[in-house]
Amino acid sequence: SQQGEEDPQALSIQEGENATMNCSYKTSINNLQWYRQNSGRGLVHLILIRSNEREKHSGRLRVTLDTSKKSSSLLITASRAADTASYFCATTGAGSYQLTFGKGTKLSVIP
Amino acid sequence: GAGVSQSPSNKVTEKGKDVELRCDPISGHTALYWYRQSLGQGLEFLIYFQGNSAPDKSGLPSDRFSAERTGGSVSTLTIQRTQQEDSAVYLCASSLKDHGSSYNEQFFGPGTRLTVL
Repeated sequence: SQQGEEDPQALSIQEGENATMNCSYKTSINNLQWYRQNSGRGLVHLILIRSNEREKHSGRLRVTLDTSKKSSSLLITASRAADTASYFCATTGAGSYQLTFGKGTKLSVIP
Repeated sequence: GAGVSQSPSNKVTEKGKDVELRCDPISGHTALYWYRQSLGQGLEFLIYFQGNSAPDKSGLPSDRFSAERTGGSVSTLTIQRTQQEDSAVYLCASSLKDHGSSYNEQFFGPGTRLTVL
């Protein structure tokens, strides 16, 4: 079953703009991860944030986590056409192994 | 090094036939996972292996689904008497550590797209 929701479901921006995607979840987590998927196939791991962390950066990516609100956001700065993909958040609970995915945000970056 | 590989990349079958999907995890990864991605249900967990054992099969949607792993490496997901609702992309992932670790980055394969006619 789905852990939570991403919003927006779809996002279209111009190249160079920033893209922000949000994720909400329902139960307590051990960590939260963001994945990218191109063309409905393999998932690429982007970044992991642990439950005791509030913000993390990796290149053009910035992830925040608010455990009190059970929400996370992914910011992609200075977007490129190559960033066009679907983005999923996934959570794992304490002592758990399976990833529970949100429904994803489909990002389109227009050149 | 090589990533997770899956075969076939695409499989078209007729309703009622059995199919086998294969996953080769990253060498040295002890944990292996199967997920299914379909339009209606999104990404769903199916089964988890630690070594050759599957401590959690709770995600398998019916008894037509089974999976095994041999030698702590290759895994096969078998779907018997396929139905149209089995059509989906089946994704395999592996990770270096099991659930005892606080960090369990899972590396995904490219998936097998199964179409049941």
